[in-house]
Amino acid sequence: DAKTTQPPSMDCAEGRAANLPCNHSTISGNEYVYWYRQIHSQGPQYIIHGLKNNETNEMASLIITEDRKSSTLILPHATLRDTAVYYCIVRVHSNFGNEKLTFGTGTRLTIIP
Amino acid sequence: KAGVTQTPRYLIKTRGQQVTLSCSPISGHRSVSWYQQTPGQGLQFLFEYFSETQRNKGNFPGRFSGRQFSNSRSEMNVSTLELGDSALYLCASSLVPQTEAFFGQGTRLTVV
Repeated sequence: DAKTTQPPSMDCAEGRAANLPCNHSTISGNEYVYWYRQIHSQGPQYIIHGLKNNETNEMASLIITEDRKSSTLILPHATLRDTAVYYCIVRVHSNFGNEKLTFGTGTRLTIIP
Repeated sequence: KAGVTQTPRYLIKTRGQQVTLSCSPISGHRSVSWYQQTPGQGLQFLFEYFSETQRNKGNFPGRFSGRQFSNSRSEMNVSTLELGDSALYLCASSLVPQTEAFFGQGTRLTVV
């Protein structure tokens, strides 16, 4: 799986959009970009994933650059509950299981009241 | 629907003992993965099971083993515990071919 690079920490004011960048310059054509977050002492939570088109769900939006070498996770209206470590992961899909997820160090996002 | 259930939530063991952790996946999920999380190493993949077969294994010593039962429930075992095995052990399940993983709350193991 390709490696990802994320800033170690970010702050965002409550109510504003939080934009979390991820660099995956060595991503291959069949690798998807996944985002998970982990709130303190809980298991990671799936947020969103995409291949090359921008994606949106009830939690967030994922913007992937045209060359697919980087992406941005957007939390449109950050709340205090969004304070967590956010992980960007790239991986292929499999029909036979989830296979291993390679977590980096992630970005520690702090929402400031 | 019920999420991924891990038992026990907390465990204290002595060096040299062995431990078995349990994971019940979301109903219908056949893929179960295990991860170890420590402050120093972060989240590291242990192994993954699909239909009772281990399909992937991470870079851990043979003291770490696992299995999956026909109802998709999984157990992992750590023998001859070392202080460095103290960690949060996380289990994740997924519905193939969809591949987002749903994690349990974890079992926090402390080895003294």
